[in-house]
Amino acid sequence: AQKITQTQPGMFVQEKEAVTLDCTYDTSDQSYGLFWYKQPSSGEMIFLIYQGSYDEQNATEGRYSLNFQKARKSANLVISASQLGDSAMYFCAMREGLAGSYQLTFGKGTKLSVIP
Amino acid sequence: DTGVSQDPRHKITKRGQNVTFRCDPISEHNRLYWYRQTLGQGPEFLTYFQNEAQLEKSRLLSDRFSAERPKGSFSTLEIQRTEQGDSAMYLCASSPESNTEAFFGQGTRLTVV
Repeated sequence: AQKITQTQPGMFVQEKEAVTLDCTYDTSDQSYGLFWYKQPSSGEMIFLIYQGSYDEQNATEGRYSLNFQKARKSANLVISASQLGDSAMYFCAMREGLAGSYQLTFGKGTKLSVIP
Repeated sequence: DTGVSQDPRHKITKRGQNVTFRCDPISEHNRLYWYRQTLGQGPEFLTYFQNEAQLEKSRLLSDRFSAERPKGSFSTLEIQRTEQGDSAMYLCASSPESNTEAFFGQGTRLTVV
């Protein structure tokens, strides 16, 4: 079974609108972390937002927020007020265990295209 | 620029040749990671260093792959006797001791012909 599932291979959003990118995860650990990265065509993975499994509030970073539903094992990324520069691949990732190495398991990604 | 630096950015090599990639992490980051990303997939973990010690290796890291971080600063990833299946983007990342995030470089894109 896949540990990270991103069911949307591609998404379109109108500029200035909000968009939600889906991510579900599978783990038996109680302690884990969830991450979202953006990968533009240049190839660099850009960290966006982090949610720890024990964090009670949803994480927010500027226009990014993470809709964390622990019982459903989902960690959807919400981008508000989309901009043309948001067009990129978006990857959801999980680290099992909060200490130790930074071995991330990534999903297959969602390609977001922002339409002017 | 104080980000993670990778060299070269692109490499084309003939099958059977050896290649070596370099990663310079953010200074004072004691953790360094290598990932591989093939087309249409997310990155896959290869190996992890804390300072100069290689603490974790993925099953993906076959005997033809070797990684080093001799002085706990920069790291090299060598692939011997390259195969076409090695064609991928090789990403390096670093993080400080108390991390909630890792910072990635722009990657080295390897094409084996």
